[in-house]
Amino acid sequence: AQSVTQLDSHVSVSEGTPVLLRCNYSSSYSPSLFWYVQHPNKGLQLLLKYTSAATLVKGINGFEAEFKKSETSFHLTKPSAHMSDAAEYFCVVSDSAGGTSYGKLTFGQGTILTVHP
Amino acid sequence: NAGVTQTPKFQVLKTGQSMTLQCAQDMNHEYMSWYRQDPGMGLRLIHYSVGAGITDQGEVPNGYNVSRSTTEDFPLRLLSAAPSQTSVYFCASRRDREETQYFGPGTRLLVL
Repeated sequence: AQSVTQLDSHVSVSEGTPVLLRCNYSSSYSPSLFWYVQHPNKGLQLLLKYTSAATLVKGINGFEAEFKKSETSFHLTKPSAHMSDAAEYFCVVSDSAGGTSYGKLTFGQGTILTVHP
Repeated sequence: NAGVTQTPKFQVLKTGQSMTLQCAQDMNHEYMSWYRQDPGMGLRLIHYSVGAGITDQGEVPNGYNVSRSTTEDFPLRLLSAAPSQTSVYFCASRRDREETQYFGPGTRLLVL
């Protein structure tokens, strides 16, 4: 079984300040982890993914995330927020059981990021 | 290359009506899935398919049917719509042995 907990339902930052969106996961297997972003009334766009290579993963638009196995965390960060970053962000774990990847995704509840001028 | 497409974009149904949400992909992906998105609950898996002729249930399958007669298409059927099925529905696809899933733009469904 796998699960994802996003620790904050809403995060509010000022433009130009750092962004931290927190995610903890549980998985019976070596997980693959993703962050997706959803802008209002839009579909989901992949920001970045971790698939057992480097633990620090860089994504699009200046975002990055660090996989910490000991803490079962995969927090998303960005050094300086931009107004266009305002959106809902989802942390996702993929079911990759024993090398046979069914690819069933389990989503966190989402974190809404608000960026103030 | 259109990616994953969904139709319609928006639909209003009355309780008890039936309809089919269409999903198609042109990337020759083996895996296709249907999710529903509800506020504060993220996306939840309804049904998925690992190839033509093969489907399985996800986390919330009740009230929905699927079939996969071709690699490209994966329609989702609501046989008798209920207000609890008011949601935004996303279709996704991915290639076998690859992790990244590609999502369609979504269908917003309102059941009165």
